[in-house]
Amino acid sequence: DTGVSQDPRHKITKRGQNVTFRCDPISEHNRLYWYRQTLGQGPEFLTYFQNEAQLEKSRLLSDRFSAERPKGSFSTLEIQRTEQGDSAMYLCASSDEMVAGYTFGSGTRLTVV
Amino acid sequence: GIQVEQSPPDLILQEGANSTLRCNFSDSVNNLQWFHQNPWGQLINLFYIPSGTKQNGRLSATTVATERYSLLYISSSQTTDSGVYFCAVLNFGNEKLTFGTGTRLTIIP
Repeated sequence: DTGVSQDPRHKITKRGQNVTFRCDPISEHNRLYWYRQTLGQGPEFLTYFQNEAQLEKSRLLSDRFSAERPKGSFSTLEIQRTEQGDSAMYLCASSDEMVAGYTFGSGTRLTVV
Repeated sequence: GIQVEQSPPDLILQEGANSTLRCNFSDSVNNLQWFHQNPWGQLINLFYIPSGTKQNGRLSATTVATERYSLLYISSSQTTDSGVYFCAVLNFGNEKLTFGTGTRLTIIP
C-alpha cells in the first residue's frame, strides 16, 4: 500500500476552465475527505464520503464544485468555471473508523490565471 | 464549531535546540492528530493522540483531554524539522477534522 495518492500534483488553468482532480485512498479505508488549503492557513474541510455516499458538504463547496466516489474507491473533485479565488492546495485524506486517524495525500496545487 | 489555537505562531531555533508547541481546543475531542507540513505541502501524520503520551524518536506528544490541550515536543532539532506543524481535532458527533492555525518552525544550521 502506497498511501493516499493524488493526481495531478500541480495544475495551472485559465479562469473559466473546468478542472478535475483524482484521489486514490488507502485501499481498506472506507472514509474519504477533501480539504482545501490557501496560503498561510490550515486546511479547511470541503466534503466527506463513507464508501460511495457523500455524507457532508461544507458551505465552502459552492455549486461550481462537485465530488464523486462512484464505487467507494477513488474519488474525483471537479471545479467548473474556475475563478482566481479557487487557487489553493486541494488535499485528500482517508481513514478507517478513526482507528489511526487520517492519512493525507500530497495534494494538488491549483493555480488559476 | 470547535476552536483550535496553536502557539507560538512562529518559532526560529538553532539546530540542536529543543522546542515545545502547544495546541488548545475549546471542546471535548475524540481524536487529536499532530501533522508536519513539509515545504512541498505534504501533511505527514506525526501522532494520533486523543489522550496520554506517545514518543517517536526525537518527537513526543502529550494530550491532557480534561484540560483541553496538547503539547508536541521536539528535541535536538534538525534542519529537516523545519516546516509548519498543525494540530487537528475531531469532536464527538463530528466527522471532520478541524485544524489549528499552525506553528511555523524554522531551524537554522
